[in-house]
Order: sequence, then structure tokens, then C-alpha cells
Amino acid sequence: ETGVTQTPRHLVMGMTNKKSLKCEQHLGHNAMYWYKQSAKKPLELMFVYNFKEQTENNSVPSRFSPECPNSSHLFLHLHTLQPEDSALYLCASSQDLTRGTGYTFGSGTRLTVV
Amino acid sequence: AQTVTQSQPEMSVQEAETVTLSCTYDTSESDYYLFWYKQPPSRQMILVIRQEAYKQQNATENRFSVNFQKAAKSFSLKISDSQLGDAAMYFCAYRSSPASSQGGSEKLVFGKGTKLTVNP
Repeated sequence: ETGVTQTPRHLVMGMTNKKSLKCEQHLGHNAMYWYKQSAKKPLELMFVYNFKEQTENNSVPSRFSPECPNSSHLFLHLHTLQPEDSALYLCASSQDLTRGTGYTFGSGTRLTVV
Repeated sequence: AQTVTQSQPEMSVQEAETVTLSCTYDTSESDYYLFWYKQPPSRQMILVIRQEAYKQQNATENRFSVNFQKAAKSFSLKISDSQLGDAAMYFCAYRSSPASSQGGSEKLVFGKGTKLTVNP
């Protein structure tokens, strides 16, 4: 464990379902991120939160809805997804946005949309 | 926008040998950070090494070292004395410095990755 915990590890959902992904860190970091990792593609940044405030939405469809209730927790709410949304969703955190440190990643949620 | 290119989708190396993974990037900024991440089958992205662009000295972490060529915008990773546990996907990543980003996000931009196989 690196300090960033993601649940669930695997998720299978139908296109009409509503589900949520959870990310938690107790590293004292103030910035948190959602990335999408699809086969044979670079990791795609989805959302950035800094001190609970969303600072970036990388043109993500509205069927993905993030929530950051505090600096330690980040959620990704999913509804009416498409099969092409199947991917590994990675959460990461960093001290903040201003330092050149790397990110600490979780192990991801493997999402399959059927 | 910055881009990161890893031209080797797959590489293989014999155990105990040395392998070099390539990475090039495109940027107009002068100050930034470069990273190599390792993603084993456990899926967790693990930071391997970090380089600050304003430092000419190449970063080193035990068996891992980089060859940073700023003018050529090249950032290769050398793994010495390869071990079976080094087998993984390796991702090169770029991050703007706050001074360069002009208020934009200091997000990590990743390459597509190189799959490294270590043969016993």
C-alpha cells in the first residue's frame, strides 16, 4: 500500500446502473486526481481537485461526476455509462499543485460496463 | 500542449543485463519535471525516478538512472542489473513547473508506456 486506497478493486455494471468509485488518502496531500487508463492509450487526466476545489475538468462527459468532500476523500459517481467507458480508473494525490513532486497512485478500479 | 512519446511499445532484457527505455517530449517551457513510473501487474503506479529540468546532473536511484538531454528533449531510463521484479509497464511523464505553467494545471502528462519483460 502506498497510502492511496481505492475501492472497489473491480466493478462490473450495466449501462443503466449507478455506482461510485472511492479514493482515500491519509498522506496529508491536498491535491487529488482521477485518471482513466485504457489499453494502448496514454493515461488520460479526468479531474483535478486542490484543497477540495475542482481546478480541472478535462472535457469529461457528464455521466462521470466527481465529488471531493474533503482533502482526504475523492469519489467518482458513475451513471448511464457506455461500454467504451470500460477501463482502469486510477486515483492519485500530491502535496499540492505547486510543487514538482510526483503523484502517489492507488491500485485503481477495473471497471467493466456491460 | 506538452506531449510525451515512448517509441518502444515492448522491450525485453535478460536478467542481470542492462536495458534502456526511450522517452522524448515536446514542450516550449524551460522549467519542468520529468518522471519515470513503473506499473507492475498489481496495477499500482510506482514512482521510479524524478528529474528537474534545471538540473544538468542526471538523476540516479540505485539501479535506475536517466540520461536527460534537455536540448534534444530526451529522457531515457537505464535499468542496470535487471531483476525479474523489474518486469512491468514503464511510463514516462512530464509535469510543468509552477513558474512555467502560467497559471495552468501542473498535471502529469504520460506517454503510452513500454512493456518490459525480464527473461531469466
